[in-house]
Amino acid sequence: GEDVEQSLFLSVREGDSSVINCTYTDSSSTYLYWYKQEPGAGLQLLTYIFSNMDMKQDQRLTVLLNKKDKHLSLRIADTQTGDSAIYFCAERGGADGLTFGKGTHLIIQP
Amino acid sequence: GAVVSQHPSRVICKSGTSVKIECRSLDFQATTMFWYRQFPKQSLMLMATSNEGSKATYEQGVEKDKFLINHASLTLSTLTVTSAHPEDSSFYICSARGPRVSDTEAFFGQGTRLTVV
Repeated sequence: GEDVEQSLFLSVREGDSSVINCTYTDSSSTYLYWYKQEPGAGLQLLTYIFSNMDMKQDQRLTVLLNKKDKHLSLRIADTQTGDSAIYFCAERGGADGLTFGKGTHLIIQP
Repeated sequence: GAVVSQHPSRVICKSGTSVKIECRSLDFQATTMFWYRQFPKQSLMLMATSNEGSKATYEQGVEKDKFLINHASLTLSTLTVTSAHPEDSSFYICSARGPRVSDTEAFFGQGTRLTVV
């Protein structure tokens, strides 16, 4: 079945940029998403990208998609303590539901 | 953005009892709702997809008699965990999508932390 992989932890200094990477296997993916989950809370949609795009920018967030390599990244510029959370990559392929990665814990160092 | 409300946010129940979790779309008609389960330190796993007025489609390995899903209206879907056991303890999240083909976003509820004792 489809698989989405992402590293479990990322530690960055406050003010630096964070880059969270994700790889997926489903070549029929139509949309790819980034969600943020704070402790004990549901998922907050941060941004999404259509599979025929290679970049999308939204304020501090930049999404890059390499469809050939099935690689997605999320860059957060000027990382703040409020960005500390788990970030999930997800893809929507042929099925209606989303397939999620295991999430990347973003740890901010002062 | 659209709002999906999930209730309750936390529930503790005894083994053998049933628990109902509600998922409501507050400002749009959700023709499709999804139920996910998240184990600690693991990803979200899709349990089932429900379309208003029809039976839910369950993912492989999910017991439909144990996890009863009802999507009786365009704004409400419920998940009932029947005869709950401690291994059912988990974080359950619903999401909802509108009827248009361009509805790319799936809006998520706040999640329900179920603890079975």
